[in-house]
Amino acid sequence: DIQMTQSPSSLSASVGDRVTLSCRASQSISTYLNWYQQKPGKAPKVLIYAASSLQSGVPSRFSGSGSGTDFTLTISSLQPEDFATYYCQQSYSTPFFTFGPGTKVDIK
Amino acid sequence: QVQLVQSGAEVKKPGASVRVSCKAFGYTFTDYDMHWVRQAPGQGLEWMGWINPSSGGVNYSEKLQGRVTMTRDTSISAAYMELSSLRSDDTAVYYCGREGSGSYSGAFDIWGQGTVVTVSS
Repeated sequence: DIQMTQSPSSLSASVGDRVTLSCRASQSISTYLNWYQQKPGKAPKVLIYAASSLQSGVPSRFSGSGSGTDFTLTISSLQPEDFATYYCQQSYSTPFFTFGPGTKVDIK
Repeated sequence: QVQLVQSGAEVKKPGASVRVSCKAFGYTFTDYDMHWVRQAPGQGLEWMGWINPSSGGVNYSEKLQGRVTMTRDTSISAAYMELSSLRSDDTAVYYCGREGSGSYSGAFDIWGQGTVVTVSS
């Protein structure tokens, strides 16, 4: 099974900050990596698919990078609506998918 | 409008079974794989399994194999997830999620609103 880890587990940041979240796979997954944002009481929403492709309608301040085992989600200038939990998910071992444990971004 | 609409909240006793439905609107149901994901209170997302609505083919997580069954009814564009022998740690929000196709393959681009399942004696 492919295991996913995320770091940090939580972080505090201010509006306007540049924020970088990390995700690591237990084996190479090429670019089969997706990022989701989840707000309390809501379903997750896909932000980035295939490691670096921006989902339609998602603000351009979100970007993804990486391949193999190490991936990054960057928010270039944190906005009030970006405070949420972010999950990575591998789709390399389709159809057996795995999510990371999440990174919670809250207000400093 | 493309959307997935799930059935309402359930309260079940330990040992019982629960069935959650997920109805698809605004797209051809058989063109996209459907996955189920759950989230225990205050916890992360757990992938449960997958169904191919066209063929009915399924795959389940090892953890839930033997207790989970995923089916579909193409006549009404609905997918179902049944979980048996419920335990207190099955208390969670259960989501259905559509897997995108083509470049979006592997990503869940449409999600249901979630169904709260509470297991309590």
